[in-house]
Amino acid sequence: SQKIEQNSEALNIQEGKTATLTCNYTNYSPAYLQWYRQDPGRGPVFLLLIRENEKEKRKERLKVTFDTTLKQSLFHITASQPADSATYLCALDSPANNLFFGTGTRLTVIP
Amino acid sequence: SQTIHQWPATLVQPVGSPLSLECTVEGTSNPNLYWYRQAAGRGLQLLFYSVGIGQISSEVPQNLSASRPQDRQFILSSKKLLLSDSGFYLCAWIPPGLRNSPLHFGNGTRLTVT
Repeated sequence: SQKIEQNSEALNIQEGKTATLTCNYTNYSPAYLQWYRQDPGRGPVFLLLIRENEKEKRKERLKVTFDTTLKQSLFHITASQPADSATYLCALDSPANNLFFGTGTRLTVIP
Repeated sequence: SQTIHQWPATLVQPVGSPLSLECTVEGTSNPNLYWYRQAAGRGLQLLFYSVGIGQISSEVPQNLSASRPQDRQFILSSKKLLLSDSGFYLCAWIPPGLRNSPLHFGNGTRLTVT
C-alpha cells in the first residue's frame, strides 16, 4: 500500500519567510496530488491540486511542485503570515480513486 | 451552494455503548460520500465510501459500519464502542464521476470513548 510521509510533524518559521513543506510517497505514482489546510477542531480545506504531468502550480502566495522521479511534492508559502499557522496535509489518489492522506505538518509562523 | 453538516460536534460515550454519527449534504445530487477518522498524531484514515444509496465500501476491517439510507445522508454506526474508536470523525463529499475533485469536509465529530 502507499506510504505517505510529510517531512516533519512541526515547523516553526519567522513571519515573512518562506515555509517549505515536504510530502514523500513510496509506492505507485499518483495521477494527482492535493494539499489541504486544517485548523484545530475543523475539517481540512482544499488548497491546491497538481497533476502528474505538471511540474508546478501556483495560487497567490502558495506554490506546489511535483517530482515523480523523486516521488516528492513540495509546498511553499511565501511571505508567511501568522494567519498561515495551521496543519497542512498532502493527499494522493489511489487506483480506486480514493484519497489517502499524510499525517500532516503543523506550521507555526512566529510574528 | 453546497454545504455539508455533521453532528454532533462532540460526543463522550462509554465503552460498549452504541454510536450513530450523521452527515448530510445539501445543494448537490448523488455525491460520493466518505467517512474518515483522524486519531491523535496520525493522518486521516479512510473508513468508508459510498457512490450511491445502499452502496458502501469499507477500507479497513473495524468495529464500525456505515449506511446511506438517502442520497445525501451518510451514517456511521457502531453497536458497541471500543476505547480505540476514539478520534475525530470527518465526513466528506465530492461530485459524482469527477476524478481529481477536491474533497469537501464537514467540521467533524470529536468522539471520546471512556
